[in-house]
Amino acid sequence: DAGVTQSPTHLIKTRGQQVTLRCSPKSGHDTVSWYQQALGQGPQFIFQYYEEEERQRGNFPDRFSGHQFPNYSSELNVNALLLGDSALYLCASILTGLNNNEQFFGPGTRLTVL
Amino acid sequence: GENVEQHPSTLSVQEGDSAVIKCTYSDSASNYFPWYKQELGKRPQLIIDIRSNVGEKKDQRIAVTLNKTAKHFSLHITETQPEDSAVYFCAAGGNEKLTFGTGTRLTIIP
Repeated sequence: DAGVTQSPTHLIKTRGQQVTLRCSPKSGHDTVSWYQQALGQGPQFIFQYYEEEERQRGNFPDRFSGHQFPNYSSELNVNALLLGDSALYLCASILTGLNNNEQFFGPGTRLTVL
Repeated sequence: GENVEQHPSTLSVQEGDSAVIKCTYSDSASNYFPWYKQELGKRPQLIIDIRSNVGEKKDQRIAVTLNKTAKHFSLHITETQPEDSAVYFCAAGGNEKLTFGTGTRLTIIP
């Protein structure tokens, strides 16, 4: 959805480095989910942030951490990068409390780990 | 946790024919079933969704059916057009988490 923004668009890192990705949800949305999409695969849920807290987490190691700010924007941090972390990282914007469950994806950040 | 299986992985249909993609899920607590279309290099875009209190939903050429008892749901695209060519993903879950299928690459043959 055009209202969800992510930065940067592309990023190249080397093994062992750390990376921070950013997401701003749609105006009025208060919840952000992060997904990892490897080439040729479906998105995999990393975690979700609501009210500045991690509400639920997928099957990802502690190297993946996040944060949500009072303005609802969010960051995804990945430490000690591995080659296998190369993927498209998507954030999804949700309005919790409105019982429609719709998740709108941002354009993604393509991370390449060399 | 939830497990979603999606079939077929690739599908080619003649322009104007119908396409059907099927998914099964494992967690009976899932109550939301969206379908996303993803074109090469772009974000997944929500094309239609269905909730567990509804058996069928239609939006122009696209329809989705849900069988809660059997835990499966399907996407139907009628009168296919070249611009329908893309990868389609089903997903199952709720407000907090979606589990995605592995995708179906749909090719419309002119």
